Amino acid sequence: NAGVTQTPKFQVLKTGQSMTLQCAQDMNHEYMSWYRQDPGMGLRLIHYSVGAGITDQGEVPNGYNVSRSTTEDFPLRLLSAAPSQTSVYFCASSPGRGGNSPLHFGNGTRLTVT
Amino acid sequence: AQRVTQPEKLLSVFKGAPVELKCNYSYSGSPELFWYVQYSRQRLQLLLRHISRESIKGFTADLNKGETSFHLKKPFAQEEDSAMYYCALRDGGSNYKLTFGKGTLLTVNP
Repeated sequence: NAGVTQTPKFQVLKTGQSMTLQCAQDMNHEYMSWYRQDPGMGLRLIHYSVGAGITDQGEVPNGYNVSRSTTEDFPLRLLSAAPSQTSVYFCASSPGRGGNSPLHFGNGTRLTVT
Repeated sequence: AQRVTQPEKLLSVFKGAPVELKCNYSYSGSPELFWYVQYSRQRLQLLLRHISRESIKGFTADLNKGETSFHLKKPFAQEEDSAMYYCALRDGGSNYKLTFGKGTLLTVNP
């Protein structure tokens, strides 16, 4: 199993550009989520999904869109990038709820918006 | 709303010294608590979960509901323990969402 795979690893965007961060998992996990990691802020939840066709907002959803058309994929879209979105983005998945379902993280995407 | 507080951004100890990374939470229901660790240039990974009552790499953590704490402890720190540590809380009911603290960067000096 590859686990959780994120692409790209690095990306530089100009303000106003759009892009999609890809996330795929091969563990048949129900739950997938996107976090952003900023110095001094920890990890903050952007969006999450509890299954194909179901998504919901997290703590900091503004400026980001998601969709979940398959169990495996959970892309994160930036429609019009802003410098405030410079961050490291992590995708994570888990089999389901409960204490036996820890999150499995991807390696992260480091995004810089100039 | 659930909240996780890690009061120390940075913690520095010497090799062989005891280490305690503090975590306090606020949540009205039945929480599930976790510790995640991120070593340099590696992905975040689960270290401990309260439900398992396990010891991993010499670390333990006890959920204290009275003090709403889930401190991470190790009696003798090693240099390879240097990493960023995140405490996290999940609603023990129907909510999948995991709320993270801001993290503590542990440095173990030789």
